[in-house]
Amino acid sequence: GENVEQHPSTLSVQEGDSAVIKCTYSDSASNYFPWYKQELGKRPQLIIDIRSNVGEKKDQRIAVTLNKTAKHFSLHITETQPEDSAVYFCAASKRSGGYQKVTFGIGTKLQVIP
Amino acid sequence: GAVVSQHPSWVICKSGTSVKIECRSLDFQATTMFWYRQFPKQSLMLMATSNEGSKATYEQGVEKDKFLINHASLTLSTLTVTSAHPEDSSFYICSARDRAGTTDTQYFGPGTRLTVL
Repeated sequence: GENVEQHPSTLSVQEGDSAVIKCTYSDSASNYFPWYKQELGKRPQLIIDIRSNVGEKKDQRIAVTLNKTAKHFSLHITETQPEDSAVYFCAASKRSGGYQKVTFGIGTKLQVIP
Repeated sequence: GAVVSQHPSWVICKSGTSVKIECRSLDFQATTMFWYRQFPKQSLMLMATSNEGSKATYEQGVEKDKFLINHASLTLSTLTVTSAHPEDSSFYICSARDRAGTTDTQYFGPGTRLTVL
């Protein structure tokens, strides 16, 4: 099955600095890579996603890059703000049995220090 | 749009009892819903995929007789933890994909925190 590795597990940055979270996946059939933000005790919220036919996607301060050959994808947050503090999960998804099966990374706890 | 609700949000039960958790898609239809389990400070582990009108597909290591899933309609899936024990205490989250959607985005419910005494 798919194996998604995510690092770092914790990340502290000063407000205004950039944060980068990296993930790797093992199954070359994975074709959809969402990123979720989860605040303590709350549901995961999709913040950005990318498909395997695209190398980069940006949405304001958030960007995701994908290297299919190396099976790497990364989340970049620029100009970090305290409200960005949360746990971020990467995921790799592929079609299996008529639906997209999602495998999550272990998560990165991001702390933005004011 | 794309709101998923769960009920209850938290539940405390005695060991040996059964607990039912409901997952509803409020403003869309979902032929497929997913049930995850999340331990403190850990990732989301897929337990099973719930398919409307058919049997659920369970992930390896998940006991289907322990975690009963029913997807009776396009907007409702239920997870019943049977004969719950303290080790079943966890955060259970469902997600659903919009049947009419053009993306593979899954929308998550707010989760149910189960504590078994």
